Amino acid sequence: ETGVTQSPTHLIKTRGQQVTLRCSSQSGHNTVSWYQQALGQGPQFIFQYYREEENGRGNFPPRFSGLQFPNYSSELNVNALELDDSALYLCASSPYEEMNTEAFFGQGTRLTVV
Amino acid sequence: LAKTTQPISMDSYEGQEVNITCSHNNIATNDYITWYQQFPSQGPRFIIQGYKTKVTNEVASLFIPADRKSSTLSLPRVSLSDTAVYYCLVGEGDMIKAAGNKLTFGGGTRVLVKP
Repeated sequence: ETGVTQSPTHLIKTRGQQVTLRCSSQSGHNTVSWYQQALGQGPQFIFQYYREEENGRGNFPPRFSGLQFPNYSSELNVNALELDDSALYLCASSPYEEMNTEAFFGQGTRLTVV
Repeated sequence: LAKTTQPISMDSYEGQEVNITCSHNNIATNDYITWYQQFPSQGPRFIIQGYKTKVTNEVASLFIPADRKSSTLSLPRVSLSDTAVYYCLVGEGDMIKAAGNKLTFGGGTRVLVKP
């Protein structure tokens, strides 16, 4: 079990609604990356946050946005939910300055859009 | 990341050795080969990384031939708890290990260990 905590564990939302997912990083880890994992597929990179700023983004529309707080925790916000947004959302934390150090993933938030 | 190809699924029995081969014909000179493991309802976890020849740790061994166009993850004497999806990624080593920028996993290999 890693020190990365995600909340909530499960969530059901209606199409068009907005959702906020939360991630507390491993102690000492200042970088948080978010991933979307559709059923039966591998995780896909959404974006990464370092020093409270976005530090790289995957191929996701602007309605996917995020925040990082001074304590390194992070939020993923998704606006105007679509049915295809149903997925497991994972966050991973790592120490940016320590190269060759593995990241730790949380257990994810299972989002269902109906 | 370099394109990789690995089997979709593999079945095995407890106590057997499981070998998963990953093809990566377009591997670049500076690329490393990294494997992640993902149990059901959990996030992936890094298990092993290598550049050439053989790497071994407490979880697995990674065999990389001289041409580096493929690699084989070997899980010795598997148990039921080794049932998971195994992902092969090829690219800049530190970035992959740290789940950093634009890290995209393929479909992985679903390993089912039977009693």
